Amino acid sequence: GQQVMQIPQYQHVQEGEDFTTYCNSSTTLSNIQWYKQRPGGHPVFLIQLVKSGEVKKQKRLTFQFGEAKKNSSLHITATQTTDVGTYFCAGQIRDSNYQLIWGAGTKLIIKP
Amino acid sequence: DVKVTQSSRYLVKRTGEKVFLECVQDMDHENMFWYRQDPGLGLRLIYFSYDVKMKEKGDIPEGYSVSREKKERFSLILESASTNQTSMYLCASSLLAGGYTDTQYFGPGTRLTVL
Repeated sequence: GQQVMQIPQYQHVQEGEDFTTYCNSSTTLSNIQWYKQRPGGHPVFLIQLVKSGEVKKQKRLTFQFGEAKKNSSLHITATQTTDVGTYFCAGQIRDSNYQLIWGAGTKLIIKP
Repeated sequence: DVKVTQSSRYLVKRTGEKVFLECVQDMDHENMFWYRQDPGLGLRLIYFSYDVKMKEKGDIPEGYSVSREKKERFSLILESASTNQTSMYLCASSLLAGGYTDTQYFGPGTRLTVL
């Protein structure tokens, strides 16, 4: 079936280092969304990308959608303790029903 | 602000019991979803509904059923709970947005333990 692979599963960084998570779909996506789940919390929407090659920024977060609309990335510059959590991508398959195909998530851990 | 509420944060049930998980949203959203979340597996869709009395199977519907009698309420039913259904259950809702899946708003989750 359709899948969205997300890597890495975990990333340990020192505070102030950068963080990146990648998503790759086996099928062309019509759009991709990114969510953040804080420890003990529920997923919260961050952003949606729709256009091929789209790049969007939210302060220290940069989101990209690939030209072929099959891959996406989230890059955080100079991580802070408030960035801790699990980041999920979720893509909609073109011409599908309304469900999203979710990546398994990347957990951002700040080393003490 | 969109609010999605779930009937319980924690639930402990015995094998074979019938379990009801309720979800209510207050923003008149057409779409509602039930997911389960397990470590390392991300979110897996159990069922979703795009209208009252309408439902569609997700990726893992076996052992579950759903009910949507009113637009704001979407219930997940475990007919006969089993230990492999121990998980975090998340409900979400979204607008119907012209073919695009709009932002999904999640409830706080119900951590179900089946003994």
